[in-house]
Amino acid sequence: DGGITQSPKYLFRKEGQNVTLSCEQNLNHDAMYWYRQDPGQGLRLIYYSQIVNDFQKGDIAEGYSVSREKKESFPLTVTSAQKNPTAFYLCASSPWEDGWLLGQETQYFGPGTRLLVL
Amino acid sequence: GQQVMQIPQYQHVQEGEDFTTYCNSSTTLSNIQWYKQRPGGHPVFLIQLVKSGEVKKQKRLTFQFGEAKKNSSLHITATQTTDVGTYFCAGRNDYKLSFGAGTTVTVRA
Repeated sequence: DGGITQSPKYLFRKEGQNVTLSCEQNLNHDAMYWYRQDPGQGLRLIYYSQIVNDFQKGDIAEGYSVSREKKESFPLTVTSAQKNPTAFYLCASSPWEDGWLLGQETQYFGPGTRLLVL
Repeated sequence: GQQVMQIPQYQHVQEGEDFTTYCNSSTTLSNIQWYKQRPGGHPVFLIQLVKSGEVKKQKRLTFQFGEAKKNSSLHITATQTTDVGTYFCAGRNDYKLSFGAGTTVTVRA
């Protein structure tokens, strides 16, 4: 949907294992985001990136890492340091033009990845 | 830090009735956005409000931004089964877009 793909749809992690969630967009958006959604809660920002080779921590970055080597791709790694990784992970993108700087952009979300711990 | 709160958390509505969900921020916002997430789906952008006191309508949905730019509301008239889902508000302050916990709407036919 909206030119953003996430894979896999479901992911299982074993104890002590790092797993990587994929996010790709073909909307030519500069900014990309990772959110975590838990039942009964809103979306919490993990990391965001405004431009290639640059990214910033969000509210709950501990136990996660990201990279932004290409404009189209913003993979998220859930490391073994994340003690409670079971959640629905959503990737989003938005244009970073004047609209973003003025805070008037729209975020387009991918279909999400459900991560479960075995 | 900035907090965005939504009430109610759950809204059970009889088909055909109206309801309102409210969003309140602890800080003044530069804009507020509303998203809808259908069960099992992902959030989809509905609308953005920027100006103090702004009111926008989308068919049966009316969105309002408070005069102080710290609160917003979504009013749905003549609720239909297609309105089922979770409605999130998201308030922007500087770089950060903070989401409320959402109002989950169920509809009784």
